[in-house]
Amino acid sequence: KAGVTQTPRYLIKTRGQQVTLSCSPISGHRSVSWYQQTPGQGLQFLFEYFSETQRNKGNFPGRFSGRQFSNSRSEMNVSTLELGDSALYLCASSLRSYGGDLTDTQYFGPGTRLTVL
Amino acid sequence: KNQVEQSPQSLIILEGKNCTLQCNYTVSPFSNLRWYKQDTGRGPVSLTIMTFSENTKSNGRYTATLDADTKQSSLHITASQLSDSASYICVVSLNDYKLSFGAGTTVTVRA
Repeated sequence: KAGVTQTPRYLIKTRGQQVTLSCSPISGHRSVSWYQQTPGQGLQFLFEYFSETQRNKGNFPGRFSGRQFSNSRSEMNVSTLELGDSALYLCASSLRSYGGDLTDTQYFGPGTRLTVL
Repeated sequence: KNQVEQSPQSLIILEGKNCTLQCNYTVSPFSNLRWYKQDTGRGPVSLTIMTFSENTKSNGRYTATLDADTKQSSLHITASQLSDSASYICVVSLNDYKLSFGAGTTVTVRA
C-alpha cells in the first residue's frame, strides 16, 4: 500500500504570495490532518478533515485554510505569506471514524518544505 | 506554556547503550499518549500508543511507560543503534481528538 504523499516537496515563495500544498492519504484513510513544524515551535496542529468536513482546528490565523475532496485528498492554502510561515508542513492520514476508536495510528507524509523570502 | 514537556532537549549516547526520554503533560481530559520517531527530513513515525489504562507498551527495542496519576511517560531505548539517531516526540491525545505535541528530544547515537 502506498504511503501518504505530499506535493510539492520543496517550495520557495516571497512575502505576500499565496501557496497551495497537496496531500494524498493512504488508500482507505478518510481522516487527513495538517501540521506545521518549525525548529522553535516544534509540531503544531493546523486542522483535521474527515469526510470533506473540517473536524478540528488549531490556533492559526485565517490565512491558513484547507479542504478535503471526495476522494479524501486534501489541500492546504496559505494566503499573504509571511516570513514566519517558513516551515515544514506535514500531512497525516488515519482510518479514524468519528465516534470510534481514539487510538488510531496516524501515518505522516514526508512533508513540504516551504521557504518564504 | 506547552502542556507537554519533554526532557532532555537532546542527548548523545554511545552505540549499544540504553537511554530514557521523559515526557510530562498537564493536558486533560486525556485519551492516549503516543511516542513518535522522526528521522531528519522525514515525517514522524508512530512507535507506541497507550491509553490511560496501560502502563507499558513495547515496540522492538523501544519501551514506553505511562503513569497517568503523575502524568508522566518515558521512552526507553535498549541497546541503541546508529539508526536510532532521530527526534522523539511525545504526543498527548485529548478526548476531543485534538493532539498536543511536545517539542521533542533529539537523540544522537555515536559509534
